[in-house]
Amino acid sequence: EVQLVESGGGLVQPGGSLRLSCAASGFTFRSFAMSWVRQAPGKGLEWVSVISGGGGSTYYGDSVKGRFTISRDSSRSTLYLQMNSLRVEDTAIYYCAKPLYSFYDPFDSWGQGTLVTVSS
Amino acid sequence: DIQLTQSPSFLSASVGDRVTITCRASQDISTYLAWYQQKPGKAPNLLIYAASILQSGVPSRFSGSGSGTEFILTISSLQPEDFATYYCQQLNINSYPFTFGPGTKVDIK
Repeated sequence: EVQLVESGGGLVQPGGSLRLSCAASGFTFRSFAMSWVRQAPGKGLEWVSVISGGGGSTYYGDSVKGRFTISRDSSRSTLYLQMNSLRVEDTAIYYCAKPLYSFYDPFDSWGQGTLVTVSS
Repeated sequence: DIQLTQSPSFLSASVGDRVTITCRASQDISTYLAWYQQKPGKAPNLLIYAASILQSGVPSRFSGSGSGTEFILTISSLQPEDFATYYCQQLNINSYPFTFGPGTKVDIK
């Protein structure tokens, strides 16, 4: 059974940094691209970033480009999101998500999410 | 970037009703479209991918259609567990970001 467990969320001041982790199990982690998706309180879903299975290709949404960095450690089956220069509008639940099969597939498995609150 | 719109943004329906939700893309995305259901406090759940393929385990009352720029999610007979918010998402090759639509909330009449 696929399991994705996010951690690392919390309260941080504007301009601060935070690193999220997503521990994966139940599938061959290195074979799948992985994404981060976020959801601000009471709002819709926003795709944040994707990384290829090998880690060599990464893409970001415009709102986080240049501030967030996605990475992965296949030896630990763990996905990361380094978030720098955080803004109030980055406040959201952050989900990691696994695609069905390939890079451009939708997400058939999601974590439970971790809440990031950016506030002074 | 490809923009997605959904209509309606909110709908009130009764158990047993046939419900349709439309998702429109700002440019041709072929059939690179997925539908998700999200209930309060839960992660989204994949319903439909490639515009019309039912994800394993999803009840057959859910169906999807469309291609190009207009897509429809249909629930043939609304059940109590279907009251939720529904999102479309485009995953067109090389068309980052993989945008989500703004969502359609289906509420009990």
